[in-house]
Amino acid sequence: GQQVMQIPQYQHVQEGEDFTTYCNSSTTLSNIQWYKQRPGGHPVFLIQLVKSGEVKKQKRLTFQFGEAKKNSSLHITATQTTDVGTYFCAALYNTNAGKSTFGDGTTLTVKP
Amino acid sequence: DGGITQSPKYLFRKEGQNVTLSCEQNLNHDAMYWYRQDPGQGLRLIYYSQIVNDFQKGDIAEGYSVSREKKESFPLTVTSAQKNPTAFYLCASSILPGANTGELFFGEGSRLTVL
Repeated sequence: GQQVMQIPQYQHVQEGEDFTTYCNSSTTLSNIQWYKQRPGGHPVFLIQLVKSGEVKKQKRLTFQFGEAKKNSSLHITATQTTDVGTYFCAALYNTNAGKSTFGDGTTLTVKP
Repeated sequence: DGGITQSPKYLFRKEGQNVTLSCEQNLNHDAMYWYRQDPGQGLRLIYYSQIVNDFQKGDIAEGYSVSREKKESFPLTVTSAQKNPTAFYLCASSILPGANTGELFFGEGSRLTVL
């Protein structure tokens, strides 16, 4: 089946450093979503990107969708301890498919 | 409050026993999903349903069964045929399956341990 590759698997940063996670697909996506899962919790929706080259910001978080709609990134500026968790991308290949494919996630730890 | 309720939160079962996990939503969502999550891994789709009385297999449906008799409910049965059932199971729902407004709302999960 279709796969979306997410890197890195783990990222350890010092508080205040930046963080970026990437998702890559070999085929064009319809849209891509990003979720955050806190340790011991469940995934929570962060954002959805639909348009080619789209960039959206939420405070310190910046989300990008590639021009070819095959890759996406989530960048966190000046990480805080509250940012810890696993960040997942969820790729939709076909709006009629009814289901998204999740990346394996990037687990972020922040050292105070 | 509107949301998705999964039960039980923790479940222990002996090998060879079937187990049913409950998922109820009061969000009036059409689509519902079951995912499995193993430690350090992403979410893998087991089954999904876009409408009442209809459901489709996901990527890892073997050893699982579901029903969708009501819009609000999408129970998952982990059968004895599932070779490695110990995992964290997440139920989700969305307004429009796969569409541009298809944000997934997740329940808090059910952690199944097979002894």
